[in-house]
Amino acid sequence: EIVLTQSPGTLSLSPGERATLSCRASQSVSNSYLAWYQQKPGQAPGLLIYAASSRATGIPDRFSGSGSGTDFTLTISRLESEDFAVYYCQQYGTSPFTFGPGTKVDIK
Amino acid sequence: EVHLLESGGGLAQPGGSLRLSCAASGFTFRTYAISWVRQAPGKGLEWVAAISSSGTSTYYADSVRGRFTISRDNSKNTLFLQMNSLRAEDTAVYYCAKQSSSWYFDSYFDYWGQGALVTVSS
Repeated sequence: EIVLTQSPGTLSLSPGERATLSCRASQSVSNSYLAWYQQKPGQAPGLLIYAASSRATGIPDRFSGSGSGTDFTLTISRLESEDFAVYYCQQYGTSPFTFGPGTKVDIK
Repeated sequence: EVHLLESGGGLAQPGGSLRLSCAASGFTFRTYAISWVRQAPGKGLEWVAAISSSGTSTYYADSVRGRFTISRDNSKNTLFLQMNSLRAEDTAVYYCAKQSSSWYFDSYFDYWGQGALVTVSS
């Protein structure tokens, strides 16, 4: 199975700053079938990005995804208070679907 | 608006059984694949099982294959997860997650339920 590694484990930033989250796969992700999800405490995950760079419906344009092959990035251009959460990457190009361990973005 | 509501969680003994349900609304249930994804307390996400839109194809993680069974009733817009031979390591919040196409492969999770807590303990 494809193992996803996310870095850093925790990112401490202030509102208004730029956040750059990394997701690396143990082998190439087929067709860049990589998604990003946001999860806040006590809530279910929610889809942000699919196919590496396509924003889901209703997701603000401060969220952007990039990458291909084994290296992917989620960028939040200017952090707002509601963006402090845990972010997971997930590949859906090869069965079984796998998730990364998550990056927590917290307030500095 | 898409809505997924899990039920059936609770406490089970090791070796016991539990059946989860997921009631769906707000979309044409019979045309989308659906998965179960779980999250152990304080841990990350783990895909558990998936079922195609028609229900004819099912897929399982190695950790649950042979113990869990996913099924669906398209006439009632409901997804199920029958969990047998439960272990302590099955303790988690179980989410049902709608997939973006009728087929398990190459489709992401575009909507999630709020989850049902399953605790396996004696």
